[in-house]
Amino acid sequence: AQSVTQLGSHVSVSEGALVLLRCNYSSSVPPYLFWYVQYPNQGLQLLLKYTSAATLVKGINGFEAEFKKSETSFHLTKPSAHMSDAAEYFCAVSKSGGATNKLIFGTGTLLAVQP
Amino acid sequence: GAVVSQHPSWVICKSGTSVKIECRSLDFQATTMFWYRQFPKQSLMLMATSNEGSKATYEQGVEKDKFLINHASLTLSTLTVTSAHPEDSSFYICSAKSSASGRSSYNEQFFGPGTRLTVL
Repeated sequence: AQSVTQLGSHVSVSEGALVLLRCNYSSSVPPYLFWYVQYPNQGLQLLLKYTSAATLVKGINGFEAEFKKSETSFHLTKPSAHMSDAAEYFCAVSKSGGATNKLIFGTGTLLAVQP
Repeated sequence: GAVVSQHPSWVICKSGTSVKIECRSLDFQATTMFWYRQFPKQSLMLMATSNEGSKATYEQGVEKDKFLINHASLTLSTLTVTSAHPEDSSFYICSAKSSASGRSSYNEQFFGPGTRLTVL
């Protein structure tokens, strides 16, 4: 079975500081991995996705994530946090291929950005 | 592109009534739509997978008679919460997968903005 674990339900950084949100996955088959952001009372917006091409994936809003098979990790980073980055972030995994494969979400990390 | 809408964005109803939530893919055709439920400060829990023209596949523990799903067209899926009770109060989010082969190969889902249901 596939799963993702997000370490740290709450992360607080200062504006301008590095953002690092951790995600580890478990999958018996090559995974597709995703990071989504959710602002209060809104749906999810895709930040970036890994689909077995380049291991370093660049997304929107300056975020990027690196797929490390040896560490089964897909951590999300941003060099310099903005106040607007404050939101909930979800890591998700899906099986590669297939028409109706489900997304399995982590428990989320709430990012706070301090001025 | 790839916009998904939900209607209504919020609804308040009395216990015992039924509520219908619509999920529409506005600029693409979606053979598959998903319905999620999210409790406050928690992750998304997949309730069911909805395929156009066929019965929905429900996740374990989700009552199919309680949460009726209809996916009658390639752009519309509906979730009806029947005989709603206060414990059904939650944030319901749908997502849709494009039937185009390029997008389907990435298993990318496009999410709606969610519907906040409050049952009094």
